[in-house]
Amino acid sequence: AQTVTQSQPEMSVQEAETVTLSCTYDTSENNYYLFWYKQPPSRQMILVIRQEAYKQQNATENRFSVNFQKAAKSFSLKISDSQLGDTAMYFCALRGAFGNEKLTFGTGTRLTIIP
Amino acid sequence: DSGVTQTPKHLITATGQRVTLRCSPRSGDLSVYWYQQSLDQGLQFLIQYYNGEERAKGNILERFSAQQFPDLHSELNLSSLELGDSALYFCASSVMGQESSPLHFGNGTRLTVT
Repeated sequence: AQTVTQSQPEMSVQEAETVTLSCTYDTSENNYYLFWYKQPPSRQMILVIRQEAYKQQNATENRFSVNFQKAAKSFSLKISDSQLGDTAMYFCALRGAFGNEKLTFGTGTRLTIIP
Repeated sequence: DSGVTQTPKHLITATGQRVTLRCSPRSGDLSVYWYQQSLDQGLQFLIQYYNGEERAKGNILERFSAQQFPDLHSELNLSSLELGDSALYFCASSVMGQESSPLHFGNGTRLTVT
């Protein structure tokens, strides 16, 4: 079974500051994929960033980057120069390889950016 | 726009009733997934279909059923509805064999059971 744990139910940060959201996971597979999704008040599910477990290099997408620690099964999201539009629920998710393609989600972190 | 279409956007019904939620996947995607998100909760996996066949099952209640049709659209049927079934129901789609690709989500159907 795959599990994803997000231990920070809520966080808040001042605009333009940097914030890190934590995520740990557990899987018995060697090949898997990790994702961060953002859910703004509109309730849409928007992909933020993805990471392949076999890649050592941490993924980056503009102001968003991850710290992927495979041995520790940790996958944190760093948001730099935070903006008001970053206010949302953030979900960490794990996807297995062929035969186990569903996404398993954590319980989410509600992030509020303070003007 | 993710390319995944869900209808209706909102549904209000009474306890004991039956409803059908519809999903059209992104063009070219053969896999469809259904998720349930109760108020301020994470997304719970219900069921996955691939090219018309059930591929994986999550914590889906026996009162719930789904199917995927030859044109690849999918329907989620919820029957004998209870107040606790009120939730946002998401459909997502993906290609098969590209697990590094994300699931693409529709905008969800908000079900309210009164």
